[in-house]
Amino acid sequence: DAKTTQPTSMDCAEGRAANLPCNHSTISGNEYVYWYRQIHSQGPQYIIHGLKNNETNEMASLIITEDRKSSTLILPHATLRDTAVYYCIVRVAIYNQGGKLIFGQGTELSVKP
Amino acid sequence: EAGVAQSPRYKIIEKRQSVAFWCNPISGHATLYWYQQILGQGPKLLIQFQNNGVVDDSQLPKDRFSAERLKGVDSTLKIQPAKLEDSAVYLCASSSLRGHYNEQFFGPGTRLTVL
Repeated sequence: DAKTTQPTSMDCAEGRAANLPCNHSTISGNEYVYWYRQIHSQGPQYIIHGLKNNETNEMASLIITEDRKSSTLILPHATLRDTAVYYCIVRVAIYNQGGKLIFGQGTELSVKP
Repeated sequence: EAGVAQSPRYKIIEKRQSVAFWCNPISGHATLYWYQQILGQGPKLLIQFQNNGVVDDSQLPKDRFSAERLKGVDSTLKIQPAKLEDSAVYLCASSSLRGHYNEQFFGPGTRLTVL
């Protein structure tokens, strides 16, 4: 699975958009980009995933560059409850099959009032 | 639907003692994972089950760690004997073989402190 690079920490003002970057320059054509987050004292929570098209769900948007070497997770209106560690993970995904997630250090996002 | 349940939430033991953690996955989820998360690091997979068979245990320290998933439902992870470096949060996760690509649902974890 390809390696990812994320900033160690970021701050964001409450109500503003939080843009979390991830570099995955060695990604392969069949590897997906996943984002999970982990709020303090909880288990990680799935946010979103994508292959090459931009994706949006009720939690966030995922923007993947055309060359797929980097991506950005966007939380459109950050709240204090979005304070968490955000993990960008790249791996092959096969529908109807599970597989391990390799977590890096992640980005610690602090949303401030 | 009910989430992944884990118990106990906290455990303090002395080195060389034994400890066991229990996990009940989301009903119907065929795949179950145990992760170890050391303070300040991301979770690391210890073992993956599909139904009651082991798919991946390459990172499990088999001289002291064991896990089982009898009947393909709940699972137990055991450490015997514990070392100081086993202090960590042990997370259980489950996923369905149908649905989102590899979306895993995590429990709250068990925080183990080895003194």
